[in-house]
Amino acid sequence: QKEVEQNSGPLSVPEGAIASLNCTYSDRGSQSFFWYRQYSGKSPELIMSIYSNGDKEDGRFTAQLNKASQYVSLLIRDSQPSDSATYLCAVSGAGSYQLTFGKGTKLSVIP
Amino acid sequence: NAGVTQTPKFQVLKTGQSMTLQCAQDMNHNSMYWYRQDPGMGLRLIYYSASEGTTDKGEVPNGYNVSRLNKREFSLRLESAAPSQTSVYFCASRDGRNQPQHFGDGTRLSIL
Repeated sequence: QKEVEQNSGPLSVPEGAIASLNCTYSDRGSQSFFWYRQYSGKSPELIMSIYSNGDKEDGRFTAQLNKASQYVSLLIRDSQPSDSATYLCAVSGAGSYQLTFGKGTKLSVIP
Repeated sequence: NAGVTQTPKFQVLKTGQSMTLQCAQDMNHNSMYWYRQDPGMGLRLIYYSASEGTTDKGEVPNGYNVSRLNKREFSLRLESAAPSQTSVYFCASRDGRNQPQHFGDGTRLSIL
């Protein structure tokens, strides 16, 4: 069974610091990787997609992918209280119509 | 842009009642999905439709049925609601196999 593992947290960081969120996956054939942000009581919102090894930056967010280690991470620079949410890692296998989601890491940014 | 629209947003049912959750997307996406989300359980896939005219079971299909009415609409039906089906239900759509899914706002369903 394909699995995506995340530390459930909560991860607490001070305002202005870098938050580092990690995700490991079991399906070595996975090809697409996504990070979603979910505020309490709201639906998941896509914040980053990454498809190849290395780093991808978008504003304060950087996604990092290492397929050999089956590891994907999300860095949030200059963390703000508005970044406080649960972050979901999602992985799509080769040729699969499904996404496998981790259970999420709850991030709390302390003012 | 509407994106993915779910109706209703809230619903309370009695055990044994039936109801249909509606989902429509205006992004011309081929694939559509129904999830439930419970505390501590994460998102669990109920059913999905890879393309118009097809449906497949996900991780937790028991007690549910789906209909892909056309390319835009994908409905989820509870034939005889049970308290264990109290949850938040999300519909999502996706353009292709390597593309991200886009979610609706959810339906909060309580079954007494």
